[in-house]
Amino acid sequence: GQQVMQIPQYQHVQEGEDFTTYCNSSTTLSNIQWYKQRPGGHPVFLIQLVKSGEVKKQKRLTFQFGEAKKNSSLHITATQTTDVGTYFCAGYVNEKLTFGTGTRLTIIP
Amino acid sequence: EAGVVQSPRYKIIEKKQPVAFWCNPISGHNTLYWYRQNLGQGPELLIRYENEEAVDDSQLPKDRFSAERLKGVDSTLKIQPAELGDSAVYLCASGLGYTQYFGPGTRLTVL
Repeated sequence: GQQVMQIPQYQHVQEGEDFTTYCNSSTTLSNIQWYKQRPGGHPVFLIQLVKSGEVKKQKRLTFQFGEAKKNSSLHITATQTTDVGTYFCAGYVNEKLTFGTGTRLTIIP
Repeated sequence: EAGVVQSPRYKIIEKKQPVAFWCNPISGHNTLYWYRQNLGQGPELLIRYENEEAVDDSQLPKDRFSAERLKGVDSTLKIQPAELGDSAVYLCASGLGYTQYFGPGTRLTVL
């Protein structure tokens, strides 16, 4: 069964509002990666978190790795139309990079 | 720096026909991956190469799928014969360590 789950599956937000997607694994992960896939595009690597409880920021994006290394979150502050796309978390399960189910973000201008 | 190159970008075939996809990874990346991405889902690993060696092909449907990476650089993924359920985007990625860089993918439609 699916080992890396994300919620929500879809999120529609007004431009300027915040957005958060949550990633949960059934197993402990050595690290967690986040990717963004624009509509019609391919996944683009955003960041990797390795340490328990780690928090990293990229401009308006904040990434967190849970203390138990089984969950992670991505928070976008004040969304812009360029943030549109599907955000995937991914972690190594049995030495395979296993992607989450993704959260599709749409922005209402 | 050039990214991962894939061709063709789109392919439409009838079921039972063969099809092949080609991938040229980023120069210097020893690890190469083939993924399949169905609509609305995340990529799923088909096969991973370390140089010429396929180190993980456990999720490759070997009855109809085959892959090769001669000389440890370019790679091809073949499906023969294709089935309706093979319609998907086939992504190639290359990487160093944990980070993977994806190509634009080949969108396969099987009619």
